[in-house]
Amino acid sequence: EVVLTQSPGTQSLSPGERATLSCRANESISNNYLAWYQHKPGQGPRLLISGASTRATGIPDRFSGSGSGTDFTLTISSLETEDLGVYYCQQYGSLPITFGQGTRLEIK
Amino acid sequence: EVQLVESGGGLVQPGESLRLSCAASGFTFSNFWMSWVRRTPGKGLEWVANINKDGSEKYYVHSEKGRFTISRDNARNSLFLQMNTVRAEDTAVYYCARDAKLLRYWGQGTLVTVSS
Repeated sequence: EVVLTQSPGTQSLSPGERATLSCRANESISNNYLAWYQHKPGQGPRLLISGASTRATGIPDRFSGSGSGTDFTLTISSLETEDLGVYYCQQYGSLPITFGQGTRLEIK
Repeated sequence: EVQLVESGGGLVQPGESLRLSCAASGFTFSNFWMSWVRRTPGKGLEWVANINKDGSEKYYVHSEKGRFTISRDNARNSLFLQMNTVRAEDTAVYYCARDAKLLRYWGQGTLVTVSS
């Protein structure tokens, strides 16, 4: 199965700063079928990005995804307090679908 | 508006069985694959199973094949997960999600705690 490794484990930043979250796969993800989700306590995960770089409906343009093959990045250009939570990458190019272990984003 | 509402979680003893339900609304349920995903403290998010539109195809994470059974009732817009012979490591929040691989909509989850 495809193993996804996210870094850093936790990131603490101030509002207005730029966040860069990394997701690395142990093998190339077919068709760049890589998604990012935001997860807040008490809620279900929210789809942010699919196909490595396509924002989901209603997602603000401060969220952007990039990368291909085995290395992917989620960038939040200017953090807002509501962006706190855990961010997961997920590959859906092959079964079983798998998730990274998550990056916790804290807002100072 | 798409809504997915899970129920059926709770405290259960090792070796017992539990059936989780997910009530869907806001979309034509029978037109979509559905999935179960769980979040454990140690492993984060883990895909558990998915099922095709009419229930004739089912796929499971290797470790749960045989103990868990996914099913659906399109007439009642409902998804189910039958969990048998539960173990401590099954303790998790279980989410239902729409679609098979790219999970566009999720419920809020139901907590399953396996403990004696």
